[in-house]
Amino acid sequence: EPEVTQTPSHQVTQMGQEVILRCVPISNHLYFYWYRQILGQKVEFLVSFYNNEISEKSEIFDDQFSVERPDGSNFTLKIRSTKLEDSAMYFCASGGRYEQYFGPGTRLTVT
Amino acid sequence: QQPVQSPQAVILREGEDAVINCSSSKALYSVHWYRQKHGEAPVFLMILLKGGEQKGHEKISASFNEKKQQSSLYLTASQLSYSGTYFCGTAGNFGNEKLTFGTGTRLTIIP
Repeated sequence: EPEVTQTPSHQVTQMGQEVILRCVPISNHLYFYWYRQILGQKVEFLVSFYNNEISEKSEIFDDQFSVERPDGSNFTLKIRSTKLEDSAMYFCASGGRYEQYFGPGTRLTVT
Repeated sequence: QQPVQSPQAVILREGEDAVINCSSSKALYSVHWYRQKHGEAPVFLMILLKGGEQKGHEKISASFNEKKQQSSLYLTASQLSYSGTYFCGTAGNFGNEKLTFGTGTRLTIIP
């Protein structure tokens, strides 16, 4: 069964550093998402992406964040200058018309 | 506005049934149910669409009351593997919109 994959599984970085989180969505899906989950809290939407552009973004997704689909398969989330409060689990999801399937997540720890 | 889930937590013995509820103050187009085990990604269980269409796993059932803006997830003859936190995610007018997740219901199944 096809699934969403993410790399790395865990990333430790120092405050102020740039990080890139990578995702390979399910191949025939057209809609891509990033969500994050701070430890012990609910999953929060960051951004959605369709047809090579952002379709919606949340208040969390400020100028420090960007997304790209550099080729036909990868989907990336970049955080330019990480802050302590960016520490969280970041989930990529992809979907068809309705349902969304989540990847295993990248645990980002900012020190 | 995030959907409200109830109960917040429930403990069942193996074989017992449970109902998890999800209510929204906004009109719903679709309700998505996920189960998340500790440290893992949310796993898609079921989607319910306005108009009655449903898609999900065979052993999971759910209802969607559009008028009351509520959905309920029914877990029957619970197994140990059902343990985890259940989230409902709601979306607006289009199926591929962002999901707004509820605060979750922690389900513990004991032998």
